[in-house]
Amino acid sequence: DGGITQSPKYLFRKEGQNVTLSCEQNLNHDAMYWYRQDPGQGLRLIYYSQIVNDFQKGDIAEGYSVSREKKESFPLTVTSAQKNPTAFYLCASSIERGNEQFFGPGTRLTVL
Amino acid sequence: SQKIEQNSEALNIQEGKTATLTCNYTNYSPAYLQWYRQDPGRGPVFLLLIRENEKEKRKERLKVTFDTTLKQSLFHITASQPADSATYLCALVISGYALNFGKGTSLLVTP
Repeated sequence: DGGITQSPKYLFRKEGQNVTLSCEQNLNHDAMYWYRQDPGQGLRLIYYSQIVNDFQKGDIAEGYSVSREKKESFPLTVTSAQKNPTAFYLCASSIERGNEQFFGPGTRLTVL
Repeated sequence: SQKIEQNSEALNIQEGKTATLTCNYTNYSPAYLQWYRQDPGRGPVFLLLIRENEKEKRKERLKVTFDTTLKQSLFHITASQPADSATYLCALVISGYALNFGKGTSLLVTP
């Protein structure tokens, strides 16, 4: 089955630690995205990538970093510089501009 | 600044009725507008896309309208069912491949 996988589903980390969230897709999509969702807030774009080895900052990129070494993979690192990292993180992909986005199941990160 | 507004209050309707959700936007000229469904603790699922030159789009019990003069989209679910209960998000395509999402409206359909 084609789709997007994110792992793990739940993640706990101590304050001050960096953590990397995994996102893999086998849909052969060029574009991939990371969003953050907080209670009562919509999805906010962190980073997106239109092609391998290229990515752009979204609205709330501070304290996050990404890489896009392979078409299938777009990992997100939440660094210790991110002031409020506890949130629900969603990865998505799309085949081209303006088309529907396919979302993964999400990773809920809790920083203790 | 650019804004997308969806009703923050939950919409409660009776099974069989038509649910109508609103998405208003300001300071945008979107080429596309999309609607997604999100269930608690899960990722959004795409429902419908409508382009700026389309007035209306239908898919089974779903209908979306797009009025670029009013800067508004309406999302209708006819013959609603309890299984339609979820949060519905509207999203505008802004630049490149990225979407800008509204905060969503929660729909509850009671038997």
